[in-house]
Amino acid sequence: DTGVSQDPRHKITKRGQNVTFRCDPISEHNRLYWYRQTLGQGPEFLTYFQNEAQLEKSRLLSDRFSAERPKGSFSTLEIQRTEQGDSAMYLCASSSGLRRTEAFFGQGTRLTVV
Amino acid sequence: RKEVEQDPGPFNVPEGATVAFNCTYSNSASQSFFWYRQDCRKEPKLLMSVYSSGNEDGRFTAQLNRASQYISLLIRDSKLSDSATYLCVVNLGSSASKIIFGSGTRLSIRP
Repeated sequence: DTGVSQDPRHKITKRGQNVTFRCDPISEHNRLYWYRQTLGQGPEFLTYFQNEAQLEKSRLLSDRFSAERPKGSFSTLEIQRTEQGDSAMYLCASSSGLRRTEAFFGQGTRLTVV
Repeated sequence: RKEVEQDPGPFNVPEGATVAFNCTYSNSASQSFFWYRQDCRKEPKLLMSVYSSGNEDGRFTAQLNRASQYISLLIRDSKLSDSATYLCVVNLGSSASKIIFGSGTRLSIRP
């Protein structure tokens, strides 16, 4: 399978715990995006990378959220001290970064904070 | 104002009907545009790109109006399998290249 893969697919955690999600993009794609989606809403932009450089981080993200892409390949998204409001689907997407090129999504990680 | 705005619907139409969705975007520097489809509890998938000249793919037609900053999607002869959420997507392009999604329009096709 050469698509975008995310791990884990589901995560249930207690409030206050830290969680980390991983995304492996399509191998030749240099752009990687993280989105959060809650029921009835479209994907909400969180952050994105070009290679290993994090180009933008949404103002909606608190300091509890951090993302890395250390070697310009896979990326991790960490949420520290999780809160119930963090419960959502976290989607990763990648693109080649060329103009008019669409983004391809992974199947997402569904986080439930109890 | 949201960067990309869509009517959330839901649109509930009979099979065979024609349905149209509109989407507006706020950043005039936006360079590329797409419609994605998202089925319940699945990831979004590209339906079609939207070009300035308008483009058609079977029963689907997409159009872009740069002057008014809106994008449209027309579905003709709708099928039950068209039931989904349709997401309007805007890419600022060039060095910015942030991809922004609208909140989606829910479409339900009834027999």
